[in-house]
Amino acid sequence: DVKVTQSSRYLVKRTGEKVFLECVQDMDHENMFWYRQDPGLGLRLIYFSYDVKMKEKGDIPEGYSVSREKKERFSLILESTSTNQTSMYLCASRTPGSDTQYFGPGTRLTVL
Amino acid sequence: GESVGLHLPTLSVQEGDNSIINCAYSNSASDYFIWYKQESGKGPQFIIDIRSNMDKRQGQRVTVLLNKTVKHLSLQIAATQPGDSAVYFCAEIPPYNTDKLIFGTGTRLQVFP
Repeated sequence: DVKVTQSSRYLVKRTGEKVFLECVQDMDHENMFWYRQDPGLGLRLIYFSYDVKMKEKGDIPEGYSVSREKKERFSLILESTSTNQTSMYLCASRTPGSDTQYFGPGTRLTVL
Repeated sequence: GESVGLHLPTLSVQEGDNSIINCAYSNSASDYFIWYKQESGKGPQFIIDIRSNMDKRQGQRVTVLLNKTVKHLSLQIAATQPGDSAVYFCAEIPPYNTDKLIFGTGTRLQVFP
């Protein structure tokens, strides 16, 4: 079974703090994705990565950056959090040649 | 519990009945579709997929039907159980970008005894 894990289930931060959200997958998948999920807006793609050290902007990259130093790990970085970044953050991975993305459990981030 | 969507369409069914969850997709040229299940406080979980060259695909207790004429997808759950209570999303892969999943807004399924 594919396993995608995320470093935290719940985080509470203050405006302006820096946040690292980590995602790890154990299936040697090349492609990894970061989404945020908000009521009424569904899932929106922030960034994705085809492979190590590669990254592509998704639909809403503003205010975020990513890091992919190792194949199994994809980090989402919020350099200076703002209240509108309060959301559920979901990581996913897939292998090339397969269209199915497998999701982690999510991190609920609250910015005060 | 945490809500993944306010004012989601809700389907309420009695335990043991069959459930049908519907989804309208956006792009007539989309080639691949997935149904995900998301329980409260958890990430989406893959249920079943279907390619556009098929009309129907069956899994364990679930069936997905694809009607390309009207761009409609449905998920049928047989003998619905309390553990099926969740939000269900369909997702499509558009032809212009196979890296992108376009998600529907979801339907909440509530199973009562």
